[in-house]
Amino acid sequence: AQSVTQLGSHVSVSEGALVLLRCNYSSSVPPYLFWYVQYPNQGLQLLLKYTSAATLVKGINGFEAEFKKSETSFHLTKPSAHMSDAAEYFCAVRKAAGNKLTFGGGTRVLVKP
Amino acid sequence: EAGVAQSPRYKIIEKRQSVAFWCNPISGHATLYWYQQILGQGPKLLIQFQNNGVVDDSQLPKDRFSAERLKGVDSTLKIQPAKLEDSAVYLCASSLERGGQDTQYFGPGTRLTVL
Repeated sequence: AQSVTQLGSHVSVSEGALVLLRCNYSSSVPPYLFWYVQYPNQGLQLLLKYTSAATLVKGINGFEAEFKKSETSFHLTKPSAHMSDAAEYFCAVRKAAGNKLTFGGGTRVLVKP
Repeated sequence: EAGVAQSPRYKIIEKRQSVAFWCNPISGHATLYWYQQILGQGPKLLIQFQNNGVVDDSQLPKDRFSAERLKGVDSTLKIQPAKLEDSAVYLCASSLERGGQDTQYFGPGTRLTVL
């Protein structure tokens, strides 16, 4: 069975500071990994995904994530936080075969002026 | 391109009542998903359709939840009777289903409150 752990249910950053959201996964097979963002009262929007190509993945809105197999991690970063980054972020894993996503518990990001 | 549509956006009912949610996926998407997102948690898959056939309903509480996807397009999710613990956001998603690498696109969700 696959699972996802997001460390920290809430993260507070200052505008212009580094955003770092942590995600660790467990999977019996090489996984596909995803980061989604959810703004208030909206559905989930894909930020980026890892599908066994380059280990450093660039996504929308200046976010990127690095797949580290040895650490079973897929942490999300953004060099400089913007007020519009305030949202909830979900890491998800999917087996290479099949399309079932398993989500982590989410991390809510607060950006302080 | 239109996204995934869901209705209603909000619903308040009393326990033991029934409720239905509707989803219209992105045109041409063969796979449709229903997720339950309880406050403070990540979404949990309830049921997955491939065209109008069920692929995975292992986490669907079948004693009270039912879902159908007629003609492989729109889908409805029903709860009867509702319990307090069913209060959640119900998200519908669709994907093109191409080699297992395609992206799931989510609708805005229906927020259900059971009193």
